[in-house]
Amino acid sequence: KQEVTQIPAALSVPEGENLVLNCSFTDSAIYNLQWFRQDPGKGLTSLLLIQSSQREQTSGRLNASLDKSSGRSTLYIAASQPGDSATYLCAVRPRETSGSRLTFGEGTQLTVNP
Amino acid sequence: DGGITQSPKYLFRKEGQNVTLSCEQNLNHDAMYWYRQDPGQGLRLIYYSQIVNDFQKGDIAEGYSVSREKKESFPLTVTSAQKNPTAFYLCASSTGQGQPNIQYFGAGTRLSVL
Repeated sequence: KQEVTQIPAALSVPEGENLVLNCSFTDSAIYNLQWFRQDPGKGLTSLLLIQSSQREQTSGRLNASLDKSSGRSTLYIAASQPGDSATYLCAVRPRETSGSRLTFGEGTQLTVNP
Repeated sequence: DGGITQSPKYLFRKEGQNVTLSCEQNLNHDAMYWYRQDPGQGLRLIYYSQIVNDFQKGDIAEGYSVSREKKESFPLTVTSAQKNPTAFYLCASSTGQGQPNIQYFGAGTRLSVL
């Protein structure tokens, strides 16, 4: 059974710092991996999606990498801002013959202090 | 305005009562999902549906029921058999099979027990 783990559970940094969030998964047979952002009491917003054949994806100050063989992904946030404060979740889509379900990690709660 | 609408935003359940959470999408997506999120945890899949009139159990289906009579709608009923229903419930939809199959989320319903 696929398991997804995110470290650290919480992170507090001063504004302007570059930071890395980590995600690991136990089964490397995946279609893709997604990073989501969740603001308190809200739904999820998709940030980046990396296909299993890709190594990384970039969007603005965000860069996500994928090392499928080692079961790891990182989300790099450059020049962090207070508006980046949120919970970040990663999710993997398993490579199976049917279904499109995702398995989520528990999230990293990020606080960027002004 | 395209998207996913969940209602109500807040819901209270009395002992022994069944309650139904609404999820409607106008994205013309084939697949829809229900997740449960407990404080400080990731999302766990309750039920999902890849096509009208068909649905599958997720990881924590006990005490819940769903229907998919229309493509746009995927209501979730929390039955009296669910002994610990207090949680944040999120509905999502996606195009279904194939890549990249990004899931789009509603704003959520917070369910509490009176």
